[in-house]
Amino acid sequence: DSGVTQTPKHLITATGQRVTLRCSPRSGDLSVYWYQQSLDQGLQFLIQYYNGEERAKGNILERFSAQQFPDLHSELNLSSLELGDSALYFCASSVGDGTTGFFGPGTRLTVL
Amino acid sequence: AQKVTQAQTEISVVEKEDVTLDCVYETRDTTYYLFWYKQPPSGELVFLIRRNSFDEQNEISGRYSWNFQKSTSSFNFTITASQVVDSAVYFCALSVLNDMRFGAGTRLTVKP
Repeated sequence: DSGVTQTPKHLITATGQRVTLRCSPRSGDLSVYWYQQSLDQGLQFLIQYYNGEERAKGNILERFSAQQFPDLHSELNLSSLELGDSALYFCASSVGDGTTGFFGPGTRLTVL
Repeated sequence: AQKVTQAQTEISVVEKEDVTLDCVYETRDTTYYLFWYKQPPSGELVFLIRRNSFDEQNEISGRYSWNFQKSTSSFNFTITASQVVDSAVYFCALSVLNDMRFGAGTRLTVKP
C-alpha cells in the first residue's frame, strides 16, 4: 500500500459525458501528479499540482482539467469524453516539488 | 527532450534464472532522477527504486539489483533467481524537473 488513495476504482460512462476522478496524497505530501496509461500511448504525465498550485503540465487535453484543494486532495475532471479516453488514470504524490515516487492504485475509466 | 527506451518488449524465463531488464535514457540535463516500477496483473504501479543523476552507486535489495552507468546512459535492472511472482510489466522512468517519462515497459514472464 503506497498510501496514495484514488476513487473510484472503476468508472464506466458514455461518450460525451463528464467524470471526476479523486486522489488523496500520502500524509505529508504536497505534490500530486496525474498520469494516463492507455494501450496505444503508454504511461503519460498529465499534470502536477504543488500545494494547491499548478506546477507542471504534460500531455493533458484541453477537455481535461485538474485542481488541488486546501486539504491537498486533487481531482481530475474529464469532459466531453471520447472512446479514446478509456484508460487507467494514476495519481502519484511526493513530499516536495520534486519527483514522483509512489502511485495510487489507479482508476480504470471505460468510455462506451 | 527526455526519452526512455526499453528495447525488450517481452522476456520469458524459467524460475530461478537470472534476468536483466535494460533501460537506456536520453536527456541533456545534468540533474535528473531514474526510476523502476513494477506493474503486476492487478494493475497498480509498485515503486522499486529511485536514483538521482549524481549517485552512480549500484544498489542491491534482496534479489533485485540495479546498475546505473552514466557513461552509457543506462539504468539496468537485474532479478536474481527469478520467481513466478516476479511476472509483471516493468517500467523504467526518467524525471527532469517534474516531467516524468516512462519507457514502453518490459513484460516479464517467469515460468515454473
